[in-house]
Amino acid sequence: EADIYQTPRYLVIGTGKKITLECSQTMGHDKMYWYQQDPGMELHLIHYSYGVNSTEKGDLSSESTVSRIRTEHFPLTLESARPSHTSQYLCASSAGPNRGDTEAFFGQGTRLTVV
Amino acid sequence: RKEVEQDPGPFNVPEGATVAFNCTYSNSASQSFFWYRQDCRKEPKLLMSVYSSGNEDGRFTAQLNRASQYISLLIRDSKLSDSATYLCVVVGTTTDSWGKLQFGAGTQVVVTP
Repeated sequence: EADIYQTPRYLVIGTGKKITLECSQTMGHDKMYWYQQDPGMELHLIHYSYGVNSTEKGDLSSESTVSRIRTEHFPLTLESARPSHTSQYLCASSAGPNRGDTEAFFGQGTRLTVV
Repeated sequence: RKEVEQDPGPFNVPEGATVAFNCTYSNSASQSFFWYRQDCRKEPKLLMSVYSSGNEDGRFTAQLNRASQYISLLIRDSKLSDSATYLCVVVGTTTDSWGKLQFGAGTQVVVTP
């Protein structure tokens, strides 16, 4: 079993609220990722990090922001939630090619509904 | 053009049959390749890595063709439980994409009784 955790698993929240989705891993992985996925659709990378204090925007434009103050923690924040943010958010981590293994492990996801 | 492309399917496969599908990638310098499986409304999980010489894990066989820049997955003796979306993953090797996971959109497989 992968040691990567996301909370909350499900969140229903009103428009305009600020929310933070948590993601933590205990594998010491340098690389962490946030993906957004609508039902039946492909994964879209929205943010990634190569290590502490390193964050980059992904391929899909997103109004969310991320931070990486500690290796194990990669939270994603929406300052003002909107119905268009309704989706599943998946966090992943990998050791990266410099450590010889690049497979990624995923958290169970946060299913966000903005009403 | 996407960096990783897959036939979305669905591939409708009778139980017990063999199904195979490919994934093409654009960066010839890519070094690491994986197949992931994703069940409906679940997170992706690693199915198998893809090695240069090809590799097998039970009923699953993965192949890499560097010359034509594609990887393949073959499932023998399909089970109902093999119904899922299979995601191809290529790890970036350019300066901009070093170590970055690049996912295909997935190939849906539906195994029918």
